[in-house]
Amino acid sequence: DSGVTQTPKHLITATGQRVTLRCSPRSGDLSVYWYQQSLDQGLQFLIQYYNGEERAKGNILERFSAQQFPDLHSELNLSSLELGDSALYFCASSVDAADTGELFFGEGSRLTVL
Amino acid sequence: QKEVEQDPGPLSVPEGAIVSLNCTYSNSAFQYFMWYRQYSRKGPELLMYTYSSGNKEDGRFTAQVDKSSKYISLFIRDSQPSDSATYLCAIDSSASKIIFGSGTRLSIRP
Repeated sequence: DSGVTQTPKHLITATGQRVTLRCSPRSGDLSVYWYQQSLDQGLQFLIQYYNGEERAKGNILERFSAQQFPDLHSELNLSSLELGDSALYFCASSVDAADTGELFFGEGSRLTVL
Repeated sequence: QKEVEQDPGPLSVPEGAIVSLNCTYSNSAFQYFMWYRQYSRKGPELLMYTYSSGNKEDGRFTAQVDKSSKYISLFIRDSQPSDSATYLCAIDSSASKIIFGSGTRLSIRP
């Protein structure tokens, strides 16, 4: 158990809808990362937050947004969903923003868009 | 060109074999290299972490970095069925993001 909690584990929704994925980092970790994993694209970095502030942005679509709250949990909002958004969404956390390489991943939220 | 390239496999070997997993990367400025292991239906977990060139050994696992050819490798000795997983190479791009390869699916046959 990595100590990172993601909810929901599975989500099925329709095109055009909006969903929110939630992540609670390990106790004491200030950085939260969101990754998208699909069969053809591998693990793609979306966005990183450190202590409530956005720190780095990857290939995150404009339809997607995220935030980190004062209690350090994070939410990833996906809107105007398309079939191609179906994927596993992982949250990871680390102690700080120094990026020494050790990220602790949750078990992921599997999103299916029909 | 992708920043990190990895052969997706799948790779199937008999128990006890030596496994070699490889990645190439594009930016010679990268300094921190990692290997993550991902079991089915689980999140990735850090397996090995190396800085700059050279070898690092941890039990049956050896990570190797060749910066001159921008090539990173993971060797698994005396492979076990419990090593069956997807192995992802990763690079710390020093831009506050860690870039992952697409992963190689490995199966160890008993």
